[in-house]
Amino acid sequence: DAKTTQPPSMDCAEGRAANLPCNHSTISGNEYVYWYRQIHSQGPQYIIHGLKNNETNEMASLIITEDRKSSTLILPHATLRDTAVYYCIVKIQGAQKLVFGQGTRLTINP
Amino acid sequence: DAGVIQSPRHEVTEMGQEVTLRCKPISGHDYLFWYRQTMMRGLELLIYFNNNVPIDDSGMPEDRFSAKMPNASFSTLKIQPSEPRDSAVYFCASIRGGTDTQYFGPGTRLTVL
Repeated sequence: DAKTTQPPSMDCAEGRAANLPCNHSTISGNEYVYWYRQIHSQGPQYIIHGLKNNETNEMASLIITEDRKSSTLILPHATLRDTAVYYCIVKIQGAQKLVFGQGTRLTINP
Repeated sequence: DAGVIQSPRHEVTEMGQEVTLRCKPISGHDYLFWYRQTMMRGLELLIYFNNNVPIDDSGMPEDRFSAKMPNASFSTLKIQPSEPRDSAVYFCASIRGGTDTQYFGPGTRLTVL
């Protein structure tokens, strides 16, 4: 699996958009970008994934650059409950192993 | 569905004792995963099963650790003998093959004194 690089921590004001970057410069053509988050004392939770097109669901949006070497997870209106560690993972769709890095600790401030 | 169920939620034991962690995956899911999370090493995959068969156990730290899945609705992770460095949160997760979302349980916090 390709390696990802994320900032260790970020802050965002409640109600504002939280933009979490991820670099994956060695991503292969058949690898997808997945995002999970882990709220304190809970198991990780799937957020969204994509290959090359931008994706949106009820939780977030995923913007992948044209060269696919980086991506941004967007939480459009962050709330205090979005405070968590966010993990960016690249893997082949259908491959079952998830390799977690250190993630980004996002703190939403009131 | 109740989600992935793990028991116990907390376990405190003494060094040298046997510890058994339990997991019930979501019904219909044919893959089951065991992860360990520590401050130092983060979240690590220990082993995963497909249709009750171990597929990859390369993350199992040593022979003191063993995992079984006797049927589609139950798995155990056993540590014998336990050591203080085994203290961690152990997560179980499951997924239906062909889908993209792993569902994690609430974890078992293990403390070995």
